[in-house]
Amino acid sequence: AQSVSQHNHHVILSEAASLELGCNYSYGGTVNLFWYVQYPGQHLQLLLKYFSGDPLVKGIKGFEAEFIKSKFSFNLRKPSVQWSDTAEYFCAVQRTGTASKLTFGTGTRLQVTL
Amino acid sequence: NAGVTQTPKFRVLKTGQSMTLLCAQDMNHEYMYWYRQDPGMGLRLIHYSVGEGTTAKGEVPDGYNVSRLKKQNFLLGLESAAPSQTSVYFCASSAAPYEQYFGPGTRLTVT
Repeated sequence: AQSVSQHNHHVILSEAASLELGCNYSYGGTVNLFWYVQYPGQHLQLLLKYFSGDPLVKGIKGFEAEFIKSKFSFNLRKPSVQWSDTAEYFCAVQRTGTASKLTFGTGTRLQVTL
Repeated sequence: NAGVTQTPKFRVLKTGQSMTLLCAQDMNHEYMYWYRQDPGMGLRLIHYSVGEGTTAKGEVPDGYNVSRLKKQNFLLGLESAAPSQTSVYFCASSAAPYEQYFGPGTRLTVT
């Protein structure tokens, strides 16, 4: 069975610091990749997605992620975080041809301090 | 356009009681999903549906049943609730093979 690993469980950053959250998956076939964000008390919202093409994808709110196929990774980055980025971030992998089912990582809680 | 809605938002059950969670979407999506979210475990797929009248098991289906009688609705049932089913339940829908859209969640406590 495939799995998704997010090694950073809790990250604390000061405003304006740079962010990189790691995501690795175990499946060797073709995958679609997603990052979702969950702000406190809210539902999951899509930050960005990768299906094919340019491995560097840009999402909302200044986030971007890079797909490195050889490393089975899809790390999320932001050059300068804001206090409003405080949230939980989930990486998810979708195997093609599997009814669009998502396998989620365990999430990374990001806390941005002023 | 409400997207994905869930009813109820909160519920407290006693062990052994039953209940049904309702998910509705107005985006004409074929695929619908039920997840549970537990601290430190991310979201885990309970059941899903690839179209009206179809259902399939996900990663953690035991203790739950589902039905998709109408394309826009996906019901999750707990026949005999257990404390281990205390969780936050999220419904999602998608126009496969694209991204999933999530509802606001239902917080269920089983005492």
